Amino acid sequence: GEDVEQSLFLSVREGDSSVINCTYTDSSSTYLYWYKQEPGAGLQLLTYIFSNMDMKQDQRLTVLLNKKDKHLSLRIADTQTGDSAIYFCAERPWDSGAGSYQLTFGKGTKLSVIP
Amino acid sequence: EPEVTQTPSHQVTQMGQEVILRCVPISNHLYFYWYRQILGQKVEFLVSFYNNEISEKSEIFDDQFSVERPDGSNFTLKIRSTKLEDSAMYFCASSSLAGGPSIQYFGAGTRLSVL
Repeated sequence: GEDVEQSLFLSVREGDSSVINCTYTDSSSTYLYWYKQEPGAGLQLLTYIFSNMDMKQDQRLTVLLNKKDKHLSLRIADTQTGDSAIYFCAERPWDSGAGSYQLTFGKGTKLSVIP
Repeated sequence: EPEVTQTPSHQVTQMGQEVILRCVPISNHLYFYWYRQILGQKVEFLVSFYNNEISEKSEIFDDQFSVERPDGSNFTLKIRSTKLEDSAMYFCASSSLAGGPSIQYFGAGTRLSVL
């Protein structure tokens, strides 16, 4: 089955860029998502990318996908203290007719931003 | 902005008791999901629900679990006889579509503590 792996912790200084990495194992076309979880809150979708894309940019967020290595990264430019949270990578196979719409999550990367 | 709401935020129960976790999905959404996260582990898919029936379930979702949409707004997860290992954060999610990027919107979760 699918598996998603992430490093557990990342610490950066305010104003620096953060890069959160994720690897996945699904070999089919897939959607890949980044969710953010702040303390006491639910999982908030930040962005997503389909596996036929290499990059997607949305304001301070840049997603890079290396499909050959099945490696996904989320770069946060000019990291702020408000970015401190847990970031989850998740994947879901493209519609294959199998009707599987479940998300497979990584364990989450806890980002700590040092003022 | 529409959001998924879950109640209660924290539920404490004795082993062997039944619990019902409640969710109000986003009003025009048609697909509903439950996930759980045991402390320190990954967010795991439990079940998806569409058109008043289960569309997919994981191995975790055994006979002690059930889901229901008792009226037009609520979506519930029932655990019939709780075990210590059911202690986890339970997340409800909903989406308007199942296919395509199928953005799943998550609630803040219910923390279930089984004593």
